[in-house]
Amino acid sequence: AQSVTQLGSHVSVSEGALVLLRCNYSSSVPPYLFWYVQYPNQGLQLLLKYTTGATLVKGINGFEAEFKKSETSFHLTKPSAHMSDAAEYFCAVTLNTGNQFYFGTGTSLTVIP
Amino acid sequence: DTGVSQDPRHKITKRGQNVTFRCDPISEHNRLYWYRQTLGQGPEFLTYFQNEAQLEKSRLLSDRFSAERPKGSFSTLEIQRTEQGDSAMYLCASSLWGGYGYTFGSGTRLTVV
Repeated sequence: AQSVTQLGSHVSVSEGALVLLRCNYSSSVPPYLFWYVQYPNQGLQLLLKYTTGATLVKGINGFEAEFKKSETSFHLTKPSAHMSDAAEYFCAVTLNTGNQFYFGTGTSLTVIP
Repeated sequence: DTGVSQDPRHKITKRGQNVTFRCDPISEHNRLYWYRQTLGQGPEFLTYFQNEAQLEKSRLLSDRFSAERPKGSFSTLEIQRTEQGDSAMYLCASSLWGGYGYTFGSGTRLTVV
């Protein structure tokens, strides 16, 4: 079975500070990992994805994540938070490119001016 | 590419009534997914189609729920005899088989009163 755990349901950072959102996965086979962002009353938007190859992946809006197999982690980072980054962030795992995704419970990011 | 469209955006219904939601995927995407998201949770898989074939259904999809994709294009999700516990955001997503990551629609928010 596969699952993801997002540590910290709420994270607050100051504008300009480092953003770190944590995600640990559980999978019996090499996973595909994703981060999505959701703004209020909106659907989910893909931020970035890891499938194969380079373990450091860069996404939109300055976000990046590193796949660490030894730590079963896929944490999301951004060097400098912007007010527009305030949203809900979801980590997700799937086993292949077409099967269902398993989402974490989300982390709400607040950016303090 | 106009993205994934869902209609309606909001639906308020009385308990016991039937409701139907529509999803129009990205035209060249052959896979279509339905997810349900309750407050404070990540999306949970309901079902998916490849073209017109419904390939997988979650145990969350009780016999009151039915989904169709008759011509392999748009899809409908019907809930019969709605209950208050059905109140949620219903998200549709589409992808190409072999593609990486979904494209989500903005969702239909159902409130059962």
